[in-house]
Amino acid sequence: GNSVTQMEGPVTLSEEAFLTINCTYTATGYPSLFWYVQYPGEGLQLLLKATKADDKGSNKGFEATYRKETTSFHLEKGSVQVSDSAVYFCALTEGYSSASKIIFGSGTRLSIRP
Amino acid sequence: DAGVTQSPTHLIKTRGQQVTLRCSPKSGHDTVSWYQQALGQGPQFIFQYYEEEERQRGNFPDRFSGHQFPNYSSELNVNALLLGDSALYLCASSGGGSESYTDTQYFGPGTRLTVL
Repeated sequence: GNSVTQMEGPVTLSEEAFLTINCTYTATGYPSLFWYVQYPGEGLQLLLKATKADDKGSNKGFEATYRKETTSFHLEKGSVQVSDSAVYFCALTEGYSSASKIIFGSGTRLSIRP
Repeated sequence: DAGVTQSPTHLIKTRGQQVTLRCSPKSGHDTVSWYQQALGQGPQFIFQYYEEEERQRGNFPDRFSGHQFPNYSSELNVNALLLGDSALYLCASSGGGSESYTDTQYFGPGTRLTVL
């Protein structure tokens, strides 16, 4: 079945460091890919998405490119801030409609030191 | 415009009891999905409701059941609670009108269930 694998955490960086969180997926067909973020004590928020190969999703300085040839969707940010400390989930949907269920990775906890 | 709301925020139950969690979708949305997030794990899909019927279901036992009301709000019921049911239960809404053809789901803050 479809699945998502992301790098295990926790990841600890200093403020202004470059961030990469790796994510690879296994899927049949043409899934949409997502990054969700969960801040302490809060629910999930959509960070960015990409719906087809070579699309780049971006938001709040974060970027990820849908790479079909390597089945990857790595999350990057050029300069992290303390406020970026959260748990990040890579995810995919198995279709392109409101009926699609989301398959999540296990999450990567990110901590940023001032 | 209110987003997705869930109640209660926290709940403590004992093994064998039954629990009902509630979700109100974002205005304009007609589809509600439920997810279980165990501590330190990613959310797992439980089931999805549309037009008051269960449209699809994940790998969860029949102890987990749900309902959707005409106003699109939804309930998640869990019977015969086990210790392993302790988790954060997330509701997500989507669809409706122009959003029927988008796969973006909006999540509520969750209900933290503790089973003792």
